[in-house]
Amino acid sequence: QKEVEQDPGPLSVPEGAIVSLNCTYSNSAFQYFMWYRQYSRKGPELLMYTYSSGNKEDGRFTAQVDKSSKYISLFIRDSQPSDSATYLCAMRGEYGNKLVFGAGTILRVKS
Amino acid sequence: DAGVTQSPTHLIKTRGQQVTLRCSPKSGHDTVSWYQQALGQGPQFIFQYYEEEERQRGNFPDRFSGHQFPNYSSELNVNALLLGDSALYLCASTSFRRSSYNSPLHFGNGTRLTVT
Repeated sequence: QKEVEQDPGPLSVPEGAIVSLNCTYSNSAFQYFMWYRQYSRKGPELLMYTYSSGNKEDGRFTAQVDKSSKYISLFIRDSQPSDSATYLCAMRGEYGNKLVFGAGTILRVKS
Repeated sequence: DAGVTQSPTHLIKTRGQQVTLRCSPKSGHDTVSWYQQALGQGPQFIFQYYEEEERQRGNFPDRFSGHQFPNYSSELNVNALLLGDSALYLCASTSFRRSSYNSPLHFGNGTRLTVT
């Protein structure tokens, strides 16, 4: 079993929809949780960075972390065609910079 | 403010050859990590360099080695290339001196390595 599980999709939604992306994990030592967006032929771009449990909002993006369930989510409001990309969840422990990534979810927003 | 830059962008090598990939960290960053991303997968941690020393290593064989220079730039070397080494190699940087482990990683656009 992988440390981080993420549904690869693809997830296809109409423009303006609310998108929900999720990851589950097994390692209770994870403390920092991130969401990256990766366009084709590009490197991952950091979207959200959170510590421990709770919610964090930034513009159209909201990240949620539920450590008791080992479950994290990213919500995208008013989705746009430019949001079409692969979304990677990543997490790490208290110390060090070794990130453990999910496999990524492909999102397609249709205009 | 330049972000993380990597060179070359693409590379084709033959099995058994050796390859060197290069990375310049984002301005103000002193720590460099390397990741391997196979097609359709998330990036996998190879190793991290800080103060010119390897600080952490993932589950990769000794064929993968690295180096960090005094200007914080870094190289990834892979010897005896295998077909399975074909992947996108990503460099990421952060600032340990400024914020210990609290700052997130910033990634470059990677080097696409194809082994034939």
